[in-house]
Amino acid sequence: GQQLNQSPQSMFIQEGEDVSMNCTSSSIFNTWLWYKQDPGEGPVLLIALYKAGELTSNGRLTAQFGITRKDSFLNISASIPSDVGIYFCAGLMNYGGSQGNLIFGKGTKLSVKP
Amino acid sequence: KAGVTQTPRYLIKTRGQQVTLSCSPISGHRSVSWYQQTPGQGLQFLFEYFSETQRNKGNFPGRFSGRQFSNSRSEMNVSTLELGDSALYLCASREGRRNTGELFFGEGSRLTVL
Repeated sequence: GQQLNQSPQSMFIQEGEDVSMNCTSSSIFNTWLWYKQDPGEGPVLLIALYKAGELTSNGRLTAQFGITRKDSFLNISASIPSDVGIYFCAGLMNYGGSQGNLIFGKGTKLSVKP
Repeated sequence: KAGVTQTPRYLIKTRGQQVTLSCSPISGHRSVSWYQQTPGQGLQFLFEYFSETQRNKGNFPGRFSGRQFSNSRSEMNVSTLELGDSALYLCASREGRRNTGELFFGEGSRLTVL
C-alpha cells in the first residue's frame, strides 16, 4: 500500500533555532497536510496544501507542496518550547467519485531544549 | 463549539473480549473517520462514515466494525480482542461531503489488551 517516508524521526533543537522536516512518497497526492500531536491529545491540523508548488505559511510555520506531488516540506522558524510534539505529514489522493483517505507519515518527534 | 468527544478515554480488556468505542463529532459534521495509532505502525485508517453509510474502509480484519447513527455519532467495535489491538483509537470528523483531508480529531480512546 501507499507509504509516506517522513524524516527525521526525531530531533533535539535549541530554542530559537529553525527546524526542517520532510515527507516523501512513491505515489502522487493531490493534497498534502501537516498535523501536530501533543501528548495526550489528538492531531491538530497545521497547514493544508492543495496545489503542486504551493508554499503556505501559518505564523512561524511554512510548508511546501513539492512540484512532483510526491513530497512536502515543513519549516518552523525560531522554535519555542511549545513547539514540542510530534509532527505528522499526511497525503490524500481523491479522484472521480472516490473520497480517498489520509495516509500518514510515521511522525517527527520534536524536542526543544529551553 | 464543542470538539470531537470520544468515550471512554481509557480502557483495559483481556484477549477474546470485545469492545465498543464511541465518538461524538463536532456539531454539524456529518463525516466521521476512525484511525488506529500504534508506536510501530503510526496512524492507520480504519473506516469512514458519512450520513450513516460507510464510504471507505482500511485494511483491517472483519473483527473491526463501525456504524454511524442519524445524529452523526459513531461507534466502532472490535471483537475477539488480540494483544496487538492495544492502541490509541482516534476519531475525526469533518463537515462536508468532499474529503479535503482537513480533519478534527478527538483525544482518543486508549485501549490496552491484556
